[in-house]
Amino acid sequence: GNSVTQMEGPVTLSEEAFLTINCTYTATGYPSLFWYVQYPGEGLQLLLKATKADDKGSNKGFEATYRKETTSFHLEKGSVQVSDSAVYFCALTPTPQGGSEKLVFGKGTKLTVNP
Amino acid sequence: DAMVIQNPRYQVTQFGKPVTLSCSQTLNHNVMYWYQQKSSQAPKLLFHYYDKDFNNEADTPDNFQSRRPNTSFCFLDIRSPGLGDTAMYLCATSRDWGLYNEQFFGPGTRLTVL
Repeated sequence: GNSVTQMEGPVTLSEEAFLTINCTYTATGYPSLFWYVQYPGEGLQLLLKATKADDKGSNKGFEATYRKETTSFHLEKGSVQVSDSAVYFCALTPTPQGGSEKLVFGKGTKLTVNP
Repeated sequence: DAMVIQNPRYQVTQFGKPVTLSCSQTLNHNVMYWYQQKSSQAPKLLFHYYDKDFNNEADTPDNFQSRRPNTSFCFLDIRSPGLGDTAMYLCATSRDWGLYNEQFFGPGTRLTVL
């Protein structure tokens, strides 16, 4: 079936540190891949996306590259800020051949950035 | 700004007392979704509407119902809430169903069942 696996959290970093949150997926065909961010007490916001192999999604200093050969979509940021503290969800929508168009989420990774 | 609005943001209800959560959208999207998100877990899809067509997930309890009276509004009805229904409920929309159709989420309603 279709699934997303994220690195276990929580992750705690100091301001200006480098961030990587690993995400790997299992899906048939060529899924679209997403990172969503959820700030405390709020709903999900789309952070970035990639719809085909080798695409790089980027937004607000965050980047992730769609790697079909390793079925990965790792999230990176060169210098995190306190305001980046949130829960990050990796997700995919499978291809039509996979039989479903719904978002499949990973379990989420909580990031805390300390001043 | 076009957006997804959920009301109320916080709702407290008693065990067994019916509750309705509201979602509206100004995006004119065809698809509306309801997700349940329990503490420290990923959102779980309950059902979605493609226009007026209702699509229930296989494991959604019968206690959860939904209505979509028009394109803009969608309601989540919990007929007899249990303590285990305490969660954040997220509404989302997408322009269409299928690949490349991004989902836009509302801020959520945090429901507490006492």
